[in-house]
Amino acid sequence: DAKTTQPTSMDCAEGRAANLPCNHSTISGNEYVYWYRQIHSQGPQYIIHGLKNNETNEMASLIITEDRKSSTLILPHATLRDTAVYYCIVTGTYKYIFGTGTRLKVLA
Amino acid sequence: DSGVTQTPKHLITATGQRVTLRCSPRSGDLSVYWYQQSLDQGLQFLIQYYNGEERAKGNILERFSAQQFPDLHSELNLSSLELGDSALYFCASSVTVRSGGPPETQYFGPGTRLLVL
Repeated sequence: DAKTTQPTSMDCAEGRAANLPCNHSTISGNEYVYWYRQIHSQGPQYIIHGLKNNETNEMASLIITEDRKSSTLILPHATLRDTAVYYCIVTGTYKYIFGTGTRLKVLA
Repeated sequence: DSGVTQTPKHLITATGQRVTLRCSPRSGDLSVYWYQQSLDQGLQFLIQYYNGEERAKGNILERFSAQQFPDLHSELNLSSLELGDSALYFCASSVTVRSGGPPETQYFGPGTRLLVL
């Protein structure tokens, strides 16, 4: 499975868009990009996933570059409840490898 | 609420003891996954069961074992506990439409916090 690189931490003002980048330069053709978040010590929460097209759901948007070597998770209007650790996972199988993620802090 | 339930929420025990953690997957999900999250190791995949059969193993110690029952609930057994086994243990489930297919979204339970004293 491809390795991912994410910034350790980011801050975002409440109400603004939060853009969380993920680098996965060694991704292979059949691997998907998944995003999860973990609030405090709760179970990881699924956000969104994609293969090569951009995706949007009620929680977020996922932008994958054309070469698929990086992606960005966008939370369009961040709230205080979005403060969490965000994990970008690249996988082609059942196996999720969680890195250290990005600790997003939404500021009032 | 992911639909995955785990019991107990908290568990405190002593070194050398054995404990059992329980997980009920979402309705209709056939696969169950177990993960361990400790402070120094992050979230680590332990083992996957699919419809009662072990499907994949990750970094699971020999002192740990799991099973999935006919009603699809799963148990993770931890024995000869050591201080280092103190961690959060998460269960996740997924549909698994077909074996060997593309990755599936895993839905995680709230976890069991284990403290070994």
